[in-house]
Amino acid sequence: KQEVTQIPAALSVPEGENLVLNCSFTDSAIYNLQWFRQDPGKGLTSLLLIQSSQREQTSGRLNASLDKSSGRSTLYIAASQPGDSATYLCAVSGMYSGGGADGLTFGKGTHLIIQP
Amino acid sequence: GAGVSQSPSNKVTEKGKDVELRCDPISGHTALYWYRQSLGQGLEFLIYFQGNSAPDKSGLPSDRFSAERTGGSVSTLTIQRTQQEDSAVYLCASSLWLMNTEAFFGQGTRLTVV
Repeated sequence: KQEVTQIPAALSVPEGENLVLNCSFTDSAIYNLQWFRQDPGKGLTSLLLIQSSQREQTSGRLNASLDKSSGRSTLYIAASQPGDSATYLCAVSGMYSGGGADGLTFGKGTHLIIQP
Repeated sequence: GAGVSQSPSNKVTEKGKDVELRCDPISGHTALYWYRQSLGQGLEFLIYFQGNSAPDKSGLPSDRFSAERTGGSVSTLTIQRTQQEDSAVYLCASSLWLMNTEAFFGQGTRLTVV
């Protein structure tokens, strides 16, 4: 069974710092990996999608990398801002249900606070 | 529509009552997913649809839960004889295809069973 782990569980940094959030998964047979942010009481907002054949994706100040063989992904946030404060979730879409898809498997998230 | 829409946004119900949660996916998206997020917990996958078909229902927590999708569009998640442990945020997502495409989530339905 796929398991996704996110480290750290919580992070608080001053505004302007660059930071890295980590995600690891146990089964490398994935179709893709997706990073989301969730604001309190809200749904999930998709940030970046990395296909299994890709190494990284960039969007604005965000850069996500994927090392499928080692089961790791990182989300790099440059020049952090207070508006970046949220919970960041990593999820993988797998091949492990007899070739079918059983949906995204999520980590428990990293709760990020950017101090003004 | 412009995004995934879920209704109601909040639902308070008495223990033992049935509830129906609705999800309107993004137009043209063939895949639809239901998740549950309990307080302080991660997201728990419940069920997915490819078109109107749900090939695997093993993720549903109990036989009190059922889901259907009609016309390849709207989906409903029904919980019968609700229990307090059913209290959670129920999130729906859709994607263009079942695999290798980006999933977009609705704002969720917060269900409180009292």
